Amino acid sequence: NAGVTQTPKFRILKIGQSMTLQCTQDMNHNYMYWYRQDPGMGLKLIYYSVGAGITDKGEVPNGYNVSRSTTEDFPLRLELAAPSQTSVYFCATRDTGRGNQPQHFGDGTRLSIL
Amino acid sequence: DAKTTQPNSMESNEEEPVHLPCNHSTISGTDYIHWYRQLPSQGPEYVIHGLTSNVNNRMASLAIAEDRKSSTLILHRATLRDAAVYYCILRDTTNQFYFGTGTSLTVIP
Repeated sequence: NAGVTQTPKFRILKIGQSMTLQCTQDMNHNYMYWYRQDPGMGLKLIYYSVGAGITDKGEVPNGYNVSRSTTEDFPLRLELAAPSQTSVYFCATRDTGRGNQPQHFGDGTRLSIL
Repeated sequence: DAKTTQPNSMESNEEEPVHLPCNHSTISGTDYIHWYRQLPSQGPEYVIHGLTSNVNNRMASLAIAEDRKSSTLILHRATLRDAAVYYCILRDTTNQFYFGTGTSLTVIP
């Protein structure tokens, strides 16, 4: 099993450009999350989804959009990249069965906005 | 949203026990306490979680105070591979997880 796969691993964008960060999972988990991690800081939740067709805002959603058309995929869209969005982005999944389940994280996408 | 407070850094000698503290004074009755760790350039990795009772697994033990306002992650014998940032996190009823800045653990050979 691949688990949680994030692409690309690294990307440099110019201010005002747009891009989509991809997240795919093969664990059939209903819950999926997007976090950002600024240098020396903890993770902050951007958006999350409890299942296909359902998304909700986290702590820091401004400047981002998400969609969840399938269980497997949860892409994160930056429409107008800004320097403040320079960060490492992590996608995570979580199973809803059998009580309180842990999150499984991908290896992250390192994004620089110049 | 509930928050946690952890020391910025701690050191431990290899093969000795490590006690990593976490304060969560605003925890609600239904918030689960989760611990994750993050090695350099990797995503966080689940360690352990609990609600009220102390918990043990192959990686660590979790001791939860009776009033649930604090908890302690216990690594029984620290190894060099345990050097990481350890996050104490609360999961609320909306299924959101709140990460703090974590504790950076250094293991001294």
